[in-house]
Amino acid sequence: EVVLTQFPATLSLSPGERATLSCRASQSVDINLLWYQQKPGQAPRLLIYDASNRATGIPVRFSGSGSGTDFTLTISSLEPEDFAVYYCQQRKIWPPLTFGGGTKVEIK
Amino acid sequence: EVQLLESGGDLVQPGGSLRLSCAASGFMFRTYAMSWVRQAPGKGLEWLSTIRESDDGAYYADSVKGRFTVSRDSSKNNLYLQMNSLSVEDTALYYCARARSPGMNMIFDYWGRGTLVTVSS
Repeated sequence: EVVLTQFPATLSLSPGERATLSCRASQSVDINLLWYQQKPGQAPRLLIYDASNRATGIPVRFSGSGSGTDFTLTISSLEPEDFAVYYCQQRKIWPPLTFGGGTKVEIK
Repeated sequence: EVQLLESGGDLVQPGGSLRLSCAASGFMFRTYAMSWVRQAPGKGLEWLSTIRESDDGAYYADSVKGRFTVSRDSSKNNLYLQMNSLSVEDTALYYCARARSPGMNMIFDYWGRGTLVTVSS
């Protein structure tokens, strides 16, 4: 099973700041890494697939990078609506499909 | 417009059973693999099961294998999850999710709003 470790668990930032979220896989998943955003009371929303491809309708301030075992989600300038929990997911080696434990981006 | 609507969540006693449904619309249901993902209160996401588009194969997480069964009725555009031998650890919001394109690519671009299962005596 591929274990995904996200860090930090919580990121406290102000609107307009840059957010850098990390996801580390216990073994290589090539570029088969996705990012989701989840707001309270809502379903997850796909942001990035295959490490760096923005999903339909996702603003350009969201970008993803990485390959192998280390991945990064960057939000270039935080908007008020970006404060949420972010999850990574790998689709290279499954079952089981696995998600990271999440990073909460909160307002400082 | 793609829509997924889960139903069937309820309060059930430990050891009990429940059947969840997911009504799909707005896309060619029979050509997409479908999945169930759950989220325990205050916790992260846990993949449970995926069923192939042609209903000729299903995959399960170890935590539910042997207790949960996924199925689909493509004539009704419905996905199901039969849950048996429920325990308190199964208390969660259950989502159905669709992959981004036909096939088993496991990129979930559409999710339902979820249905809540509470297992308690």
